[in-house]
Amino acid sequence: AQRVTQPEKLLSVFKGAPVELKCNYSYSGSPELFWYVQYSRQRLQLLLRHISRESIKGFTADLNKGETSFHLKKPFAQEEDSAMYYCAPLYNQGGKLIFGQGTELSVKP
Amino acid sequence: NAGVTQTPKFQVLKTGQSMTLQCAQDMNHEYMSWYRQDPGMGLRLIHYSVGAGITDQGEVPNGYNVSRSTTEDFPLRLLSAAPSQTSVYFCASSTTEASYEQYFGPGTRLTVT
Repeated sequence: AQRVTQPEKLLSVFKGAPVELKCNYSYSGSPELFWYVQYSRQRLQLLLRHISRESIKGFTADLNKGETSFHLKKPFAQEEDSAMYYCAPLYNQGGKLIFGQGTELSVKP
Repeated sequence: NAGVTQTPKFQVLKTGQSMTLQCAQDMNHEYMSWYRQDPGMGLRLIHYSVGAGITDQGEVPNGYNVSRSTTEDFPLRLLSAAPSQTSVYFCASSTTEASYEQYFGPGTRLTVT
């Protein structure tokens, strides 16, 4: 069965500290992976996708097929990064998007 | 362009009551889906649809029905509400070509007593 695991429910860091939100997936194929973010009182929205290999709001995520991981990283956290983050693998294009359990990131001043 | 809209925003039901959560989108998206969000469980897919007249089950379909008679609308029906269905419900839509980029509605907070 396809599974995605975000082991940390809550991650609390101080402003300026590095942050890494972990995501591990279990798949038989080669899924596409994405990170979604939900800021307070805002809608859930796509943050970034592994294929684009881009940095969004200072965040990057590298797909490690050997470790089946897709961790989200930022070298210097900001208070406005505080939000709920979800890792989401895609079964196949046009198919179901499955979300992990979510990690709440809290960046303290 | 309103995007994805959901009604109502809040609802309280008694066990055994039925209701329909409404979802509509004005982006002509083929793909629509319903998720429930629970603390510690993340977002779980209930049902989804790849076009009018086509629906399929997600991870947690029991207790919920859906239909897709138009491209714009994708209502979620609870036939006999149970306390375990207390949750926040999100509707989302996307194109089929880019089903990874889902546009979410604001959510409906449902409490079943």
